[in-house]
Amino acid sequence: QVQLVESGGGVVQPGRSLRLSCAASGFTFSSYGMHWVRQAPGKGLEWVAIISYDGSNKDYIDSVKGRFTISRDNSQNTLYLQMNSLRAEDTAIYYCAKDQKEHILSSHGIDDWGQGTLVTVSS
Amino acid sequence: QSVLTQPPSSSGTPGQRVTISCSGSSSNIGINTVNWYQQFPGTAPKLLIYYNNQRPSGVPDRFSGSKSGTSASLAISGLQSEDEADYYCAAWDDSLNGGVFGGGTKLTVL
Repeated sequence: QVQLVESGGGVVQPGRSLRLSCAASGFTFSSYGMHWVRQAPGKGLEWVAIISYDGSNKDYIDSVKGRFTISRDNSQNTLYLQMNSLRAEDTAIYYCAKDQKEHILSSHGIDDWGQGTLVTVSS
Repeated sequence: QSVLTQPPSSSGTPGQRVTISCSGSSSNIGINTVNWYQQFPGTAPKLLIYYNNQRPSGVPDRFSGSKSGTSASLAISGLQSEDEADYYCAAWDDSLNGGVFGGGTKLTVL
């Protein structure tokens, strides 16, 4: 069965950086696009970024463009989110999520989710 | 506010049928498929409906989805107390080149 395990969250000061990781297992990681989705405390879901199965295509929500970078290591079955210049409004649970369609450069939707890792940006 | 519009709350009594609406536009629901997710407090979302009206294995057939034009709906029949949760619709938006979610609907079983 699909397993997605996030790590790397924590408390960080505004303006600092953090890197999230997501270890994937139970499926052919290199065949699927992957997403990061976040949820601020008490709020709804917000899509953050996507990377295609081969890493050639990446897209971001406007509010993180130029600050966050999504990447993947298909040899290690791991997804990353490098977060720089963090702001208070980036405080959220960050979920790693798998796309439901293999070998596409865009998205058909998310089918599996990790348990999330909490990022708190505060001085 | 969210790109996809859902009612913030809905309620029903056990056994009743409830529907949750999701309104979008020509750049998202109008040309792409819709997924629905169920989320309980403190847990990750779970896929409930994909490709507008398909149920993953293990999801009861009490849950059904539909789409028409730029809107979609989730219907829950034979409402049960364990259905009390938050429900989110989602789609890809070709203009934004990104995923979009509804604001979520909190379902209360009275």
